[in-house]
Amino acid sequence: AQRVTQPEKLLSVFKGAPVELKCNYSYSGSPELFWYVQYSRQRLQLLLRHISRESIKGFTADLNKGETSFHLKKPFAQEEDSAMYYCALTPWGQGAQKLVFGQGTRLTINP
Amino acid sequence: GAGVSQSPSNKVTEKGKDVELRCDPISGHTALYWYRQSLGQGLEFLIYFQGNSAPDKSGLPSDRFSAERTGGSVSTLTIQRTQQEDSAVYLCASSARTTEAFFGQGTRLTVV
Repeated sequence: AQRVTQPEKLLSVFKGAPVELKCNYSYSGSPELFWYVQYSRQRLQLLLRHISRESIKGFTADLNKGETSFHLKKPFAQEEDSAMYYCALTPWGQGAQKLVFGQGTRLTINP
Repeated sequence: GAGVSQSPSNKVTEKGKDVELRCDPISGHTALYWYRQSLGQGLEFLIYFQGNSAPDKSGLPSDRFSAERTGGSVSTLTIQRTQQEDSAVYLCASSARTTEAFFGQGTRLTVV
């Protein structure tokens, strides 16, 4: 069974401090991992996916298959990063398949 | 182009009444999802449609919940005999051959 775990429901850091949102997964096959973000009063939207290896809005995430993790990191938090973040998983290379989401982490950046 | 559209945006209903929530996915998207987002909670998977395959209903919380997808496009989520614990934001998403899911703005359901 596929499962995504985000151990922190709430995370609060000060502006300029580093941020790490944790995501662990369990899946017997090869996964494709995502981070989705929901800013206040906006739609849930894709932030980044592991296959693109991009840095979006200063955020990066590396898939660690040994630790089955896909933590989201940013070296210097900004107030506009305050949002709800969801980690998600789908089977790799099979086109559109069911996305399994974690429970989400609400990130608050304090001024 | 239009994104995923959900209607109504807000719905207030009396306990015990039935409600229907509508989702118009992006044209051509074969996959469609329904999720529920309760206050302070994460995303709760409800149901998943993929092309002509039988839907994955494993997330529906009770038999009061049902969903259908007509013609591989529009989907309706029906909640019968609504209860106060059904109050939440109901999100619909769709995806195409790639795996990125596009979400609607949600329907906020309040059961009074």
